[in-house]
Amino acid sequence: TQLLEQSPQFLSIQEGENLTVYCNSSSVFSSLQWYRQEPGEGPVLLVTVVTGGEVKKLKRLTFQFGDARKDSSLHITAAQPGDTGLYLCAVPHRGKSTFGDGTTLTVKP
Amino acid sequence: ETGVTQSPTHLIKTRGQQVTLRCSSQSGHNTVSWYQQALGQGPQFIFQYYREEENGRGNFPPRFSGLQFPNYSSELNVNALELDDSALYLCASSSGQGYTGELFFGEGSRLTVL
Repeated sequence: TQLLEQSPQFLSIQEGENLTVYCNSSSVFSSLQWYRQEPGEGPVLLVTVVTGGEVKKLKRLTFQFGDARKDSSLHITAAQPGDTGLYLCAVPHRGKSTFGDGTTLTVKP
Repeated sequence: ETGVTQSPTHLIKTRGQQVTLRCSSQSGHNTVSWYQQALGQGPQFIFQYYREEENGRGNFPPRFSGLQFPNYSSELNVNALELDDSALYLCASSSGQGYTGELFFGEGSRLTVL
């Protein structure tokens, strides 16, 4: 059983569209992280959320941690081709993180 | 500040062979974690090294082993390679501080086992 379920698995959209991807679990977490991995690169941390209901914004990206701390979402406004990549959610644990299988996002010009 | 570097970037081995992958951690980081990322999946934790000692291991068999050196660089060794070992192997360094400390990943070593 996968600890973190990410959906959708694949998403292909046109430049300028909005999108939301999800990370769900039946477990409660003290914190959750989102990473982006571009082709040929390692994952890069985007954000860490620690409080239930917390909303963090990073330019056009909005991250939300569910009130019950079991789920999280990532919303991208006006997607650009540079947003293309694999979006991974992860439960951190002193460097021994557990990752979901990610959402592969393709933004077409 | 030097980032995490891994070598080699790509390699091809045959079943039953052995492989060694190398990682130089980011300056100032004393903790190195190794992950395996199979095609279409997220990274899976293999093990972590802190101050030259193994500090936690994921669900991987003993033929996956590692080392950390006094300069905090690290090696991942895999013996008796199997076809399912084909994957991207990622090294991540961290400062070891805090529960949610950021992981800094290298670009990975892509291993193909034929």
